[in-house]
Amino acid sequence: QVQLVQSGAEVKKPGASVKVSCKASGYTLTGYYMHWVRQAPGQGLEWMGRINPNSGDTNYAQKFQGRVTMTRDTSISTAYMELSRLRSDDTAVYYCARGGGGGWESDYWGQGTLVTVSS
Amino acid sequence: SYVLTQPPSVSVAPGQTARITCGGNNIGSKSVHWYQQKPGQAPVLVVYEDSGRPSGIPERFSGSNSGNTATLTINRVEAGDEADYYCQVWDSSNDHVVFGGGTKLTVL
Repeated sequence: QVQLVQSGAEVKKPGASVKVSCKASGYTLTGYYMHWVRQAPGQGLEWMGRINPNSGDTNYAQKFQGRVTMTRDTSISTAYMELSRLRSDDTAVYYCARGGGGGWESDYWGQGTLVTVSS
Repeated sequence: SYVLTQPPSVSVAPGQTARITCGGNNIGSKSVHWYQQKPGQAPVLVVYEDSGRPSGIPERFSGSNSGNTATLTINRVEAGDEADYYCQVWDSSNDHVVFGGGTKLTVL
């Protein structure tokens, strides 16, 4: 069965970077896009971008351009999202989500990783 | 950028029908996806491409899309359907995913 298992919670200081991993199992990582979505406490879903794990091509939301980097390591079926120059309003749960057949919907989601940014 | 508008809340009695709308400019020309999110859990895709239903999703969940409004319909609502629901589309003008603000469904 398809599973996306994310790395554990992180606490970071403002200005630091965080890298969240997402290990895929039950399917071939390179066969589907991987999206990253975040959710601030009590708020809605916010799309950050997506990566084509086959080619490495990325598509980032304008809001995160220059601060986010999405990569993958196909040898271990893992996708990564790194966010730099963290601010307090980056405190959120970060999700990886597999792109479905159409590429733009997300049919399987990771369990989420809480990133807390605090001095 | 493209904007999706959802009502903040919808309330319905058990056994009744819930309709959650998602408004957007000519949204009928786009594919709309819907997610259910329960507290403390990751979202779950309940409708894809306007009206498709992923395996494991009850037939009570259905979707439609026309003009400037897409609608998620939940028939015979159960207490377990209480959750936040989000609509989502792809904005082809900038290759971005857009989410609606979410609707909290309360089962009275």
